[in-house]
Amino acid sequence: AQTVTQSQPEMSVQEAETVTLSCTYDTSESDYYLFWYKQPPSRQMILVIRQEAYKQQNATENRFSVNFQKAAKSFSLKISDSQLGDAAMYFCAYSRIIQGAQKLVFGQGTRLTINP
Amino acid sequence: IAGITQAPTSQILAAGRRMTLRCTQDMRHNAMYWYRQDLGLGLRLIHYSNTAGTTGKGEVPDGYSVSRANTDDFPLTLASAVPSQTSVYFCASSDSTETDTQYFGPGTRLTVL
Repeated sequence: AQTVTQSQPEMSVQEAETVTLSCTYDTSESDYYLFWYKQPPSRQMILVIRQEAYKQQNATENRFSVNFQKAAKSFSLKISDSQLGDAAMYFCAYSRIIQGAQKLVFGQGTRLTINP
Repeated sequence: IAGITQAPTSQILAAGRRMTLRCTQDMRHNAMYWYRQDLGLGLRLIHYSNTAGTTGKGEVPDGYSVSRANTDDFPLTLASAVPSQTSVYFCASSDSTETDTQYFGPGTRLTVL
């Protein structure tokens, strides 16, 4: 069964510094998608970044970038120049196709605290 | 454009009662999904719908039913609520079933006593 593991329940970083959140996954498939979602205290799930497994280039969205290591099944999120508004739960997710439907499998989440 | 709306925002329900959580999207997305979020477990898929008129079971479907009469609406029904169904419920949608990103609604916090 596919699983997604986030080994860091909590992380903290000083404002303006860089932090990296870890994620590993288990799959036997060769083509899939990976996502990072952010959940602030408002509870809204917000897409941060997405990576297609067939692309070797790491995805980047402004201050957010990923380090995608397909062979190691690792998908870490780097947040540069951390801001107070980055404080949230961060979920890594793996997307698989079953019976023609896309199904997301989520990790347990990492709570990120930004220290002013 | 509202995106995805869910109702109610929160609800306290007596065990054994029937409850329907509503979800509406205005993006004309084909696929819709229901997840539950429990502390320490992340989000888990309950049911999904690839297109209007079709539904399928996810990872934790027991005790829940869904229908998809049209593109925009995807209600989730608890026929006889139990305390273990206390959770935060998220509806999501995506343009296609295979490759597109899923976008989430604001969630419904349900407490079953």
